[in-house]
Amino acid sequence: DAKTTQPNSMESNEEEPVHLPCNHSTISGTDYIHWYRQLPSQGPEYVIHGLTSNVNNRMASLAIAEDRKSSTLILHRATLRDAAVYYCILGWGYKLSFGAGTTVTVRA
Amino acid sequence: DTGVSQDPRHKITKRGQNVTFRCDPISEHNRLYWYRQTLGQGPEFLTYFQNEAQLEKSRLLSDRFSAERPKGSFSTLEIQRTEQGDSAMYLCASSLELGQGVNEQFFGPGTRLTVL
Repeated sequence: DAKTTQPNSMESNEEEPVHLPCNHSTISGTDYIHWYRQLPSQGPEYVIHGLTSNVNNRMASLAIAEDRKSSTLILHRATLRDAAVYYCILGWGYKLSFGAGTTVTVRA
Repeated sequence: DTGVSQDPRHKITKRGQNVTFRCDPISEHNRLYWYRQTLGQGPEFLTYFQNEAQLEKSRLLSDRFSAERPKGSFSTLEIQRTEQGDSAMYLCASSLELGQGVNEQFFGPGTRLTVL
């Protein structure tokens, strides 16, 4: 499986944007970029995914570099509820290979 | 809300005992997945089903582990002769696969297993 590299942790202030980077220099042409997050004591939940073009949904935006070797998850206005571990995952189809993710802390 | 449910939420057992976990996916979902998560790590894929067929098993799934999805609905994960290293959170997820690209997986709350 292609590997991703994420910072261990990031801090943000409430109502400010959060930019979560992910490097994936060995991404293959068929790999989608998925983001999931895991709130404390819960199972992971889907955030967003994309292949080549930038993507937006009600939760976040995904900006994908032109060479696809990196991407950034953008939370436009962080709330306390966004405090979680965020996982950047590469793959196609059924199997999600989670890394250690980025722990996001949101300060009130 | 009929999300993914798992039972029990917590299980404490003694080493050498057998345990069984149940997962009820979202009703119309045809794929079901099992993952294992240890403290401080991301979930690790164990196995998945397309309807009732088990299509892939990770090498993490030793012979002591068996999973079933008898009628393509709920699934069970059994661990025989539990070991302390089996202590983890066991997560179930489901998705609706229509053969048209990637679909999100919906996770349950997990079953936390502690082996004494």
